[in-house]
Amino acid sequence: AQTVTQSQPEMSVQEAETVTLSCTYDTSENNYYLFWYKQPPSRQMILVIRQEAYKQQNATENRFSVNFQKAAKSFSLKISDSQLGDTAMYFCAFRGGLNAGNMLTFGGGTRLMVKP
Amino acid sequence: ETGVTQTPRHLVMGMTNKKSLKCEQHLGHNAMYWYKQSAKKPLELMFVYNFKEQTENNSVPSRFSPECPNSSHLFLHLHTLQPEDSALYLCASSQEDRPIYGYTFGSGTRLTVV
Repeated sequence: AQTVTQSQPEMSVQEAETVTLSCTYDTSENNYYLFWYKQPPSRQMILVIRQEAYKQQNATENRFSVNFQKAAKSFSLKISDSQLGDTAMYFCAFRGGLNAGNMLTFGGGTRLMVKP
Repeated sequence: ETGVTQTPRHLVMGMTNKKSLKCEQHLGHNAMYWYKQSAKKPLELMFVYNFKEQTENNSVPSRFSPECPNSSHLFLHLHTLQPEDSALYLCASSQEDRPIYGYTFGSGTRLTVV
């Protein structure tokens, strides 16, 4: 079974600075998908960024980027130029390939506070 | 609004009540999910439906009863719940053959059992 670990329960960052959230996972699969979701106080889980394991290039979405280290099974999220609206819970998630079922496995989450 | 709508947004119920949570998606997805989110616990997958057929039941107590009448609607019927069932219940949908797009979530129903 896959497991996803987020080792930082809480983090804080000053507005406009950069912060990195850690995520590691365990799998025996070679092809899979990784995601970062954001859950603000409004409770809506919003997809922030995604990565296919067979793509070596790290995904980027505006101020959000990932550092995907397949051999180390690490998938960290970097938020640049942090904004107050980035304050939220962030969840890392794993999904196996097409033949592995379509369930997402989530990490325990990291609560990020952006301070003015 | 993401395309997945959950109602009600908040629900308070007694332990002897029967209530239902509703989830609706207009994204053309063919898979739907119920998750439970409790304080200080990881998200727990409860049920999975692919093409209206239940494919996963993660040892969920029988006081939770899912129903998927079509690929756009998903219900969670609740009866004789316990206080520890108080949580945020999240519905999600996905296109099963397009895993790179992940899930689309609703805003959840905050359930309080008294």
